[in-house]
Amino acid sequence: SAVISQKPSRDICQRGTSLTIQCQVDSQVTMMFWYRQQPGQSLTLIATANQGSEATYESGFVIDKFPISRPNLTFSTLTVSNMSPEDSSIYLCSVEGQGAFFGQGTRLTVV
Amino acid sequence: GQSLEQPSEVTAVEGAIVQINCTYQTSGFYGLSWYQQHDGGAPTFLSYNGLDGLEETGRFSSFLSRSDSYGYLLLQELQMKDSASYFCAVTKSSGTYKYIFGTGTRLKVLA
Repeated sequence: SAVISQKPSRDICQRGTSLTIQCQVDSQVTMMFWYRQQPGQSLTLIATANQGSEATYESGFVIDKFPISRPNLTFSTLTVSNMSPEDSSIYLCSVEGQGAFFGQGTRLTVV
Repeated sequence: GQSLEQPSEVTAVEGAIVQINCTYQTSGFYGLSWYQQHDGGAPTFLSYNGLDGLEETGRFSSFLSRSDSYGYLLLQELQMKDSASYFCAVTKSSGTYKYIFGTGTRLKVLA
């Protein structure tokens, strides 16, 4: 399985600001996925990022709020824009294997 | 729409066997996978079923019945370290693959 490095591991941000989360994989992967996990909840898919094309967003998530870059087959970023306290959550990047494999997550608190 | 339902909580004693069920409704079903998540950690992949039947991996087994839109995770010889949240996830195929997660089951193992 791939080794996935995600950073930052946690951050506390002021409302109205933006945070960019980075995800680095140790092997080339076609698809990368970004999830949000609110406290005590399940994982919700934000978008799927393929290299060389625009990310595909799930219902309820829009590019202006969660812009994603996928410049190559080993790297992706997710930006959480114009943050509010409701964006406080864990954000996880993931790649496909036999199942899904995850980075360690970014714990975001918006104050 | 789509849904994946799991019991919210299961409690069992050390050494026991526990079964966590997952019922799903979705289009484009490709397979069912299971994940373990300890508090503060990222989900880790446990098992995958692409075909009907039982898959065994050490103390963990997973079962799938496509005709019943149902699967389960079986944990044998429970240990205290098995206390965690467990998620089923459907692999959907609609051009590209993506993973949609169930509601999650919190397992408490008692001494």
